[in-house]
Amino acid sequence: NAGVTQTPKFQVLKTGQSMTLQCAQDMNHEYMSWYRQDPGMGLRLIHYSVGAGITDQGEVPNGYNVSRSTTEDFPLRLLSAAPSQTSVYFCASSYSIAQGWTEAFFGQGTRLTVV
Amino acid sequence: AQSVTQLDSQVPVFEEAPVELRCNYSSSVSVYLFWYVQYPNQGLQLLLKYLSGSTLVKGINGFEAEFNKSQTSFHLRKPSVHISDTAEYFCAVSPYGNKLVFGAGTILRVKS
Repeated sequence: NAGVTQTPKFQVLKTGQSMTLQCAQDMNHEYMSWYRQDPGMGLRLIHYSVGAGITDQGEVPNGYNVSRSTTEDFPLRLLSAAPSQTSVYFCASSYSIAQGWTEAFFGQGTRLTVV
Repeated sequence: AQSVTQLDSQVPVFEEAPVELRCNYSSSVSVYLFWYVQYPNQGLQLLLKYLSGSTLVKGINGFEAEFNKSQTSFHLRKPSVHISDTAEYFCAVSPYGNKLVFGAGTILRVKS
């Protein structure tokens, strides 16, 4: 079982370039989310989706777009990269339970550097 | 809104000694509580979670945590650590299990 797969693992971008970070899960989880991890700040929620066709903003959405056309995929798009977006990005998924949602299952991360 | 404070940014400890990593949270509603571990250059792995029920929660690798509602704390403990426990540990809260709010992390350094 692959779980949550993120590609690429590493990326270097120039300021102003755009790119898409890919995230796929094979567990049929309804809920998917993107976080960024910065030193001393833990992880912060960028965007999330509760199912195909439904997305919403998290704590730090500016500069990022998402879409959810299938249950499996949840790509994160950087529209015009800035050095402040240098970070490690994690995709996560979970499924619904009676009391809410299960714990998040995380991918291995994408380390992005914007120069 | 919720917030999480991990009271120590780094905790050095000798192998086979006990350890406690402290986590306090703030929330106006009931929350689910989680501890995750991150080994170098890897993703986050769930150690344990509290959704409801017994306030003492046992997780993987010999870790446990106790939920204290009056003190709004969820401290992580292990009676005897190993070198392999060296990692960064994150406490997180959420009202329903999604939209996690994380603490800044605690780096546990186990020395021989």
